[in-house]
Amino acid sequence: DTGVSQNPRHKITKRGQNVTFRCDPISEHNRLYWYRQTLGQGPEFLTYFQNEAQLEKSRLLSDRFSAERPKGSFSTLEIQRTEQGDSAMYLCASSLVGRGNEQFFGPGTRLTVL
Amino acid sequence: AQSVTQLDSQVPVFEEAPVELRCNYSSSVSVYLFWYVQYPNQGLQLLLKYLSGSTLVKGINGFEAEFNKSQTSFHLRKPSVHISDTAEYFCAVSEGQTGTASKLTFGTGTRLQVTL
Repeated sequence: DTGVSQNPRHKITKRGQNVTFRCDPISEHNRLYWYRQTLGQGPEFLTYFQNEAQLEKSRLLSDRFSAERPKGSFSTLEIQRTEQGDSAMYLCASSLVGRGNEQFFGPGTRLTVL
Repeated sequence: AQSVTQLDSQVPVFEEAPVELRCNYSSSVSVYLFWYVQYPNQGLQLLLKYLSGSTLVKGINGFEAEFNKSQTSFHLRKPSVHISDTAEYFCAVSEGQTGTASKLTFGTGTRLQVTL
C-alpha cells in the first residue's frame, strides 16, 4: 500500500494524559500536513512541513501541541495534558510541491478524551 | 484570508436523479479549488480539482464541477446519483500558485443522502 498511513486509528485517553500520533506520507511526497476534524465540521489546518522544516502553524495549535518531522519522512503529532476539547479526528495529508497542491489524506486517528 | 461556504448542510435525493452541491469561496488572490468525499470513518478522497484552464472539471465517479470566477463558485454536479454516492462532500480552497500553495481551507461539508 503506497497511500498515507496513520497510527493508531483510534485512541482513548484520560484527561491530562499525553498522546502521540504518527503519520507516514506517500514516500516521494515532500510536504506533510496535519488537520483536525470535529463532528459535523470540515477539517481545520493545524500545521505543515516541507521536508523536515515546519513552515506554518495555525493559531489553533496551542502550546500543548507539538509536531515533528525529523528526517523529512514520517511525522508525529503530540498532545500534552489532553483536554476533552481535544477529542476529534486528526488527519494527515501529503503532497508533492509543484503538483497543484493536491493533498492525499490518510484514514485519520480518532482521539477520545474522557 | 480565504474561506469556503457550503450552502447546504444536507441534500436528500432519489437514486438516478441529478444533484448539485453548492460551494462559494472568498479569496483575494488566485486559487486552486477542490472537492473531496468522505465516507464514514474514513479519510478524504479527492473527487476533482481546478488549477487553471478549462472551467469545467471532470472527476471520478461521474462527478464534475464548474469554476465561475465572477460568482466565486465551484458547484459540484452529477447527472445521475447512485446509492453508493451517499457520503459527506467537502469543498476546499488553496491560495497561491504552484510552489507557494499550502494549506487547504475547507467548508463545513454537505451530507448527500441518496435513497431509493
